[in-house]
Amino acid sequence: DIQMTQSPSSVSASVGDRVTITCRASQGISTWLAWYQQKPGKAPKLLIYDASNLQSGVPSRFSGSGSGTDFTLTISSLQPEDFATYYCQQANSFPSIIFGQGTRLEIK
Amino acid sequence: EVQLLESGGGLVQPGGSLRLSCAASGFTFRTYAMSWVRQAPGKGLEWVSGISGNGGNPQYADSVKGRFTISRDNSKNTLYLQMNSLRAEDTAVYYCAKDGFSAARDFDYWGQGALVTVSS
Repeated sequence: DIQMTQSPSSVSASVGDRVTITCRASQGISTWLAWYQQKPGKAPKLLIYDASNLQSGVPSRFSGSGSGTDFTLTISSLQPEDFATYYCQQANSFPSIIFGQGTRLEIK
Repeated sequence: EVQLLESGGGLVQPGGSLRLSCAASGFTFRTYAMSWVRQAPGKGLEWVSGISGNGGNPQYADSVKGRFTISRDNSKNTLYLQMNSLRAEDTAVYYCAKDGFSAARDFDYWGQGALVTVSS
């Protein structure tokens, strides 16, 4: 089974900082990767699909890159509303849908 | 506007059953695969089950295989999850989620979630 490992598990940053979150797959998944943002008590929100495509309505400060086993989500200039938990997801096919363990982005 | 509205959550004893429903609107329901994703309290996301647009080829995570059944009624724009032989570890918020527009299995819309608590 494919495993998805995110790093770091948590990160503290300030408004205006550039932040990068990494997701590593245990085997190659091409660009079958999505990124989500989740705020407490809310459903996840799709940010990036196919590793690097920005979902409609998502601010351009979010970007994704990578292919194969190594992927990154970058927030170019943190805004107050960006403090949340972020998940990567292997998005190849049923039943192999796997989420990373999450990265909590906190205010420094 | 796409909307997904779950219902049917609640408190159930271990070994009991519960059926979740997800009423969909704002898109052509029958043309999209749908999934259930759950989140235990304070934990991460876990995909539970998925089903194609025409209702064929249901798939399950190993943790629920043989106990949960996913189905859909395209005439009612509704997705279901029948949960039997429930265990304490099934306690979670259950989200229904719609496949995105790409060929990948990402989820572009989610419901607000239904809380299922399995406890005696």
